[in-house]
Amino acid sequence: DVKVTQSSRYLVKRTGEKVFLECVQDMDHENMFWYRQDPGLGLRLIYFSYDVKMKEKGDIPEGYSVSREKKERFSLILESASTNQTSMYLCASSSSLRSGNTGELFFGEGSRLTVL
Amino acid sequence: GNSVTQMEGPVTLSEEAFLTINCTYTATGYPSLFWYVQYPGEGLQLLLKATKADDKGSNKGFEATYRKETTSFHLEKGSVQVSDSAVYFCALSKYGNKLVFGAGTILRVKS
Repeated sequence: DVKVTQSSRYLVKRTGEKVFLECVQDMDHENMFWYRQDPGLGLRLIYFSYDVKMKEKGDIPEGYSVSREKKERFSLILESASTNQTSMYLCASSSSLRSGNTGELFFGEGSRLTVL
Repeated sequence: GNSVTQMEGPVTLSEEAFLTINCTYTATGYPSLFWYVQYPGEGLQLLLKATKADDKGSNKGFEATYRKETTSFHLEKGSVQVSDSAVYFCALSKYGNKLVFGAGTILRVKS
């Protein structure tokens, strides 16, 4: 069964702490994404990556950074957590266009982060 | 820019009722259109998709038709079950990778 696994389902952090959210996929997908999900706003793209060591900003990158050192792993980093980053974070992956991908994303179960 | 607008929820229905969740989009050209579903405590999963005008996507009794003239992709099901209770997201993609999502519609089905 193909999977996208996020390391933590629930985290509670304090303002100013550095936070790492890890995501691993076992489908050999080229593309990986980080979204945040907030009620009434849907999913908003934070960062994405088309290849190892490559990253591109999404719609709301401020306050976040990412790392993709290996194809299967994509990490989201909050350098100094703030209360407005309290949210559900969803990782997703997909195959490349040249592999015939027509847009299907495979999602992890999400990481709910609370910043106090 | 590209955007997706869904009807606000929550939508509350009795079992076996007919379901429609409206979705309209704004995009240049010919995007692909998707419906994703999120069951409680889970990530999103693809429900159905359509890649060109007049295509009908279908899965698990749900259907949606890509209407370019009305820029719509409404989700329908003839008879909902309690197990259909979830959050439904409409989305579009221009280049097969980055998806733009709507705000989501909560569906609650009562027995």
